[in-house]
Amino acid sequence: GQNIDQPTEMTATEGAIVQINCTYQTSGFNGLFWYQQHAGEAPTFLSYNVLDGLEEKGRFSSFLSRSKGYSYLLLKELQMKDSASYLCAVTDSNYQLIWGAGTKLIIKP
Amino acid sequence: GAVVSQHPSWVICKSGTSVKIECRSLDFQATTMFWYRQFPKQSLMLMATSNEGSKATYEQGVEKDKFLINHASLTLSTLTVTSAHPEDSSFYICSARGQTAQETQYFGPGTRLLVL
Repeated sequence: GQNIDQPTEMTATEGAIVQINCTYQTSGFNGLFWYQQHAGEAPTFLSYNVLDGLEEKGRFSSFLSRSKGYSYLLLKELQMKDSASYLCAVTDSNYQLIWGAGTKLIIKP
Repeated sequence: GAVVSQHPSWVICKSGTSVKIECRSLDFQATTMFWYRQFPKQSLMLMATSNEGSKATYEQGVEKDKFLINHASLTLSTLTVTSAHPEDSSFYICSARGQTAQETQYFGPGTRLLVL
């Protein structure tokens, strides 16, 4: 079966750095997405990785290792507004987007 | 770029009525649109995938006669919840993707449906 695992919840401190991991087992791979979803709102696109390595976009970076079926989202200089759920999603060989359950990130002052 | 709108944002209706939700891609042509449902504190659940001009593909367990999807143009898809019941109360979110399958899905702001 297809499976995406990410931690259910994480807590971090304002100003710190947090890494949210995602491991996947899918039938084929055509890219990995990270989305941010604030409570009561729709997801918004953060990043896309299809090749191994690190993609940096401001305070957010996303890393991919296809051989390990692993990705992480790195958030630096955390702000209170970063409190949200972070969703990992993988496009499989049929270009179906397989969603993880999301990681709820709680930022404390 | 890549803006997707949904209308209405909120719907409150009586049990047994039908509700139509519109999803529009405002600045790109969406070959494929997706409809999701999300219950409080739960994950996104894909309901169906629709390609412009063809019938939608529904996920297992989703009643196609209850959730009617129309994707008549490259910028508009509609979801009609027919004979809504209280258990259909949820957050319905659409997303749109461009012409190639590798492209990113961009989400609309969602529609909250409350069936009394």
